[in-house]
Amino acid sequence: AQSVSQHNHHVILSEAASLELGCNYSYGGTVNLFWYVQYPGQHLQLLLKYFSGDPLVKGIKGFEAEFIKSKFSFNLRKPSVQWSDTAEYFCAVRNQAGTALIFGKGTTLSVSS
Amino acid sequence: EAGVTQFPSHSVIEKGQTVTLRCDPISGHDNLYWYRRVMGKEIKFLLHFVKESKQDESGMPNNRFLAERTGGTYSTLKVQPAELEDSGVYFCASSQWGRNQPQHFGDGTRLSIL
Repeated sequence: AQSVSQHNHHVILSEAASLELGCNYSYGGTVNLFWYVQYPGQHLQLLLKYFSGDPLVKGIKGFEAEFIKSKFSFNLRKPSVQWSDTAEYFCAVRNQAGTALIFGKGTTLSVSS
Repeated sequence: EAGVTQFPSHSVIEKGQTVTLRCDPISGHDNLYWYRRVMGKEIKFLLHFVKESKQDESGMPNNRFLAERTGGTYSTLKVQPAELEDSGVYFCASSQWGRNQPQHFGDGTRLSIL
Protein backbone atom coordinates (compact mmCIF):
# COMPACT_ATOMS: atom_id res chain seq x y z
CA ALA A 1 0.00 0.00 0.00
CA GLN A 2 1.10 3.52 -0.67
CA SER A 3 2.25 5.62 2.25
CA VAL A 4 3.76 9.03 2.89
CA SER A 5 6.29 9.70 5.60
CA GLN A 6 6.97 13.13 7.03
CA HIS A 7 10.09 13.01 9.13
CA ASN A 8 9.45 15.84 11.53
CA HIS A 9 6.41 16.05 13.76
CA HIS A 10 7.16 19.52 15.11
CA VAL A 11 9.72 22.04 13.91
CA ILE A 12 10.52 25.23 15.81
CA LEU A 13 12.39 28.02 14.06
CA SER A 14 13.20 31.68 14.53
CA GLU A 15 12.18 34.20 11.91
CA ALA A 16 14.59 34.39 8.95
CA ALA A 17 15.81 30.83 9.48
CA SER A 18 15.75 28.45 6.55
CA LEU A 19 13.22 25.65 6.41
CA GLU A 20 13.31 22.17 4.97
CA LEU A 21 10.55 19.66 5.69
CA GLY A 22 11.15 16.11 4.61
CA CYS A 23 8.66 13.94 2.75
CA ASN A 24 9.16 10.44 1.40
CA TYR A 25 6.59 8.26 -0.28
CA SER A 26 6.35 4.60 -1.12
CA TYR A 27 5.04 3.86 -4.59
CA GLY A 28 6.99 2.55 -7.55
CA GLY A 29 4.95 4.08 -10.34
CA THR A 30 4.24 7.57 -11.55
CA VAL A 31 2.88 9.86 -8.90
CA ASN A 32 1.56 13.36 -8.46
CA LEU A 33 2.93 15.14 -5.40
CA PHE A 34 1.48 17.92 -3.29
CA TRP A 35 2.17 20.07 -0.26
CA TYR A 36 -0.81 21.49 1.60
CA VAL A 37 -0.75 23.95 4.49
CA GLN A 38 -3.30 24.54 7.24
CA TYR A 39 -2.93 27.88 9.04
CA PRO A 40 -4.50 28.10 12.51
CA GLY A 41 -8.27 28.21 12.22
CA GLN A 42 -8.25 27.88 8.44
CA HIS A 43 -8.84 25.17 5.88
CA LEU A 44 -6.20 23.18 4.05
CA GLN A 45 -4.70 25.14 1.17
CA LEU A 46 -2.57 23.94 -1.71
CA LEU A 47 1.00 25.28 -1.47
CA LEU A 48 2.40 23.62 -4.56
CA LYS A 49 2.14 20.54 -6.73
CA TYR A 50 4.27 18.43 -9.02
CA PHE A 51 2.89 16.45 -11.95
CA SER A 52 5.76 16.29 -14.44
CA GLY A 53 8.60 18.33 -15.93
CA ASP A 54 11.01 20.44 -13.91
CA PRO A 55 11.49 18.64 -10.59
CA LEU A 56 11.97 21.95 -8.78
CA VAL A 57 8.51 23.35 -8.18
CA LYS A 58 7.77 26.84 -6.94
CA GLY A 59 4.62 27.52 -4.97
CA ILE A 60 2.94 30.35 -3.17
CA LYS A 61 4.48 32.49 -0.41
CA GLY A 62 8.06 31.73 -1.41
CA PHE A 63 7.88 27.97 -0.89
CA GLU A 64 9.48 25.47 -3.24
CA ALA A 65 9.86 21.71 -3.34
CA GLU A 66 12.17 19.36 -5.16
CA PHE A 67 11.12 15.99 -6.51
CA ILE A 68 13.96 13.47 -6.40
CA LYS A 69 12.66 10.33 -8.04
CA SER A 70 15.59 8.12 -7.03
CA LYS A 71 15.00 8.97 -3.38
CA PHE A 72 11.18 8.92 -3.53
CA SER A 73 11.31 12.34 -1.90
CA PHE A 74 9.53 15.66 -2.24
CA ASN A 75 11.02 17.98 0.37
CA LEU A 76 9.59 21.41 1.03
CA ARG A 77 11.90 24.40 1.42
CA LYS A 78 11.80 28.08 2.16
CA PRO A 79 14.98 30.18 2.47
CA SER A 80 13.67 32.53 5.16
CA VAL A 81 10.59 31.82 7.25
CA GLN A 82 8.25 34.41 8.71
CA TRP A 83 6.07 34.32 11.81
CA SER A 84 3.06 34.02 9.50
CA ASP A 85 4.37 30.67 8.24
CA THR A 86 3.35 29.09 11.55
CA ALA A 87 1.02 26.31 10.44
CA GLU A 88 0.72 22.58 9.88
CA TYR A 89 2.18 21.27 6.63
CA PHE A 90 1.03 18.12 4.87
CA CYS A 91 2.74 16.20 2.10
CA ALA A 92 0.41 14.17 -0.14
CA VAL A 93 0.71 11.74 -3.00
CA ARG A 94 -1.69 10.58 -5.66
CA ASN A 95 -0.93 7.71 -8.01
CA GLN A 96 -1.77 7.90 -11.67
CA ALA A 97 -4.63 5.45 -11.40
CA GLY A 98 -6.41 7.08 -8.52
CA THR A 99 -7.92 10.36 -7.50
CA ALA A 100 -7.61 10.10 -3.72
CA LEU A 101 -4.82 11.94 -1.96
CA ILE A 102 -2.66 9.97 0.47
CA PHE A 103 -1.37 12.22 3.21
CA GLY A 104 1.52 12.15 5.61
CA LYS A 105 0.91 12.77 9.30
CA GLY A 106 1.74 16.44 9.00
CA THR A 107 4.49 18.65 10.40
CA THR A 108 3.68 21.52 12.73
CA LEU A 109 5.91 24.52 12.14
CA SER A 110 6.21 27.12 14.87
CA VAL A 111 8.05 30.33 13.99
CA SER A 112 9.02 32.72 16.75
CA SER A 113 9.45 36.42 16.05
CA GLU B 1 -16.02 32.37 -5.35
CA ALA B 2 -17.42 30.72 -2.23
CA GLY B 3 -15.28 27.89 -0.91
CA VAL B 4 -16.22 24.43 0.28
CA THR B 5 -18.60 24.72 3.21
CA GLN B 6 -19.09 22.14 5.91
CA PHE B 7 -21.77 21.94 8.60
CA PRO B 8 -21.60 21.73 11.52
CA SER B 9 -18.15 22.92 12.45
CA HIS B 10 -18.25 20.87 15.65
CA SER B 11 -20.52 18.09 16.83
CA VAL B 12 -20.52 16.36 20.19
CA ILE B 13 -22.71 13.26 20.54
CA GLU B 14 -22.91 10.19 22.70
CA LYS B 15 -21.91 6.74 21.61
CA GLY B 16 -24.78 5.03 19.85
CA GLN B 17 -26.35 8.21 18.52
CA THR B 18 -26.57 9.25 14.88
CA VAL B 19 -24.84 12.23 13.32
CA THR B 20 -25.07 13.67 9.83
CA LEU B 21 -22.35 15.87 8.39
CA ARG B 22 -22.96 18.06 5.39
CA CYS B 23 -20.66 19.37 2.68
CA ASP B 24 -21.47 22.00 0.07
CA PRO B 25 -18.81 21.92 -2.64
CA ILE B 26 -17.74 24.82 -4.79
CA SER B 27 -20.41 25.43 -7.40
CA GLY B 28 -19.73 23.53 -10.60
CA HIS B 29 -17.32 21.05 -9.05
CA ASP B 30 -18.24 17.54 -10.16
CA ASN B 31 -15.75 15.81 -7.87
CA LEU B 32 -16.43 15.63 -4.15
CA TYR B 33 -14.24 13.83 -1.61
CA TRP B 34 -14.55 12.97 2.05
CA TYR B 35 -11.48 12.53 4.25
CA ARG B 36 -11.04 11.94 7.97
CA ARG B 37 -8.28 12.72 10.41
CA VAL B 38 -8.24 10.79 13.67
CA MET B 39 -6.20 12.52 16.38
CA GLY B 40 -2.49 11.97 15.95
CA LYS B 41 -2.86 10.22 12.64
CA GLU B 42 -2.77 11.17 9.00
CA ILE B 43 -5.68 12.48 6.95
CA LYS B 44 -7.27 9.45 5.33
CA PHE B 45 -9.44 9.19 2.25
CA LEU B 46 -12.99 7.93 2.76
CA LEU B 47 -14.74 8.21 -0.59
CA HIS B 48 -15.07 10.07 -3.87
CA PHE B 49 -18.18 11.16 -5.75
CA VAL B 50 -18.34 12.17 -9.38
CA LYS B 51 -21.57 14.09 -9.55
CA GLU B 52 -24.05 11.83 -7.75
CA SER B 53 -22.18 8.57 -8.34
CA LYS B 54 -19.76 6.96 -5.90
CA GLN B 55 -16.52 6.59 -7.86
CA ASP B 56 -14.44 5.11 -5.07
CA GLU B 57 -15.56 4.21 -1.56
CA SER B 58 -12.60 2.05 -0.66
CA GLY B 59 -11.75 4.15 2.37
CA MET B 60 -15.09 3.88 4.16
CA PRO B 61 -14.36 2.22 7.51
CA ASN B 62 -17.50 0.09 7.82
CA ASN B 63 -21.22 0.00 7.12
CA ARG B 64 -22.02 2.42 9.92
CA PHE B 65 -20.95 5.16 7.50
CA LEU B 66 -23.30 6.19 4.69
CA ALA B 67 -22.49 8.93 2.20
CA GLU B 68 -24.92 10.41 -0.28
CA ARG B 69 -24.85 13.10 -2.92
CA THR B 70 -28.35 13.30 -4.28
CA GLY B 71 -28.60 15.54 -7.32
CA GLY B 72 -24.86 15.87 -7.54
CA THR B 73 -24.69 19.01 -5.43
CA TYR B 74 -24.19 18.84 -1.66
CA SER B 75 -23.20 15.65 0.12
CA THR B 76 -24.01 14.16 3.50
CA LEU B 77 -22.06 11.68 5.57
CA LYS B 78 -24.09 9.86 8.19
CA VAL B 79 -22.62 7.85 11.02
CA GLN B 80 -25.10 5.45 12.64
CA PRO B 81 -24.57 4.35 15.33
CA ALA B 82 -21.52 6.39 16.30
CA GLU B 83 -18.68 4.68 18.14
CA LEU B 84 -15.84 6.20 20.17
CA GLU B 85 -13.29 5.53 17.43
CA ASP B 86 -15.27 7.67 14.98
CA SER B 87 -14.06 10.82 16.72
CA GLY B 88 -11.92 13.03 14.53
CA VAL B 89 -12.05 15.81 11.98
CA TYR B 90 -13.99 15.08 8.80
CA PHE B 91 -12.88 17.05 5.77
CA CYS B 92 -14.68 17.53 2.51
CA ALA B 93 -12.94 18.59 -0.69
CA SER B 94 -14.13 19.33 -4.19
CA SER B 95 -12.52 19.77 -7.58
CA GLN B 96 -13.46 20.47 -11.15
CA TRP B 97 -13.62 17.70 -13.70
CA GLY B 98 -10.17 16.59 -14.84
CA ARG B 99 -7.31 14.75 -13.12
CA ASN B 100 -5.01 17.72 -12.76
CA GLN B 101 -7.53 19.90 -11.00
CA PRO B 102 -6.58 20.73 -7.40
CA GLN B 103 -8.78 19.65 -4.52
CA HIS B 104 -10.19 22.53 -2.47
CA PHE B 105 -10.85 21.70 1.16
CA GLY B 106 -13.47 22.85 3.62
CA ASP B 107 -12.76 23.80 7.22
CA GLY B 108 -13.75 20.36 8.45
CA THR B 109 -16.24 19.10 11.02
CA ARG B 110 -14.78 18.14 14.38
CA LEU B 111 -16.75 15.14 15.63
CA SER B 112 -16.47 14.12 19.27
CA ILE B 113 -18.07 10.91 20.46
CA LEU B 114 -18.51 10.63 24.23
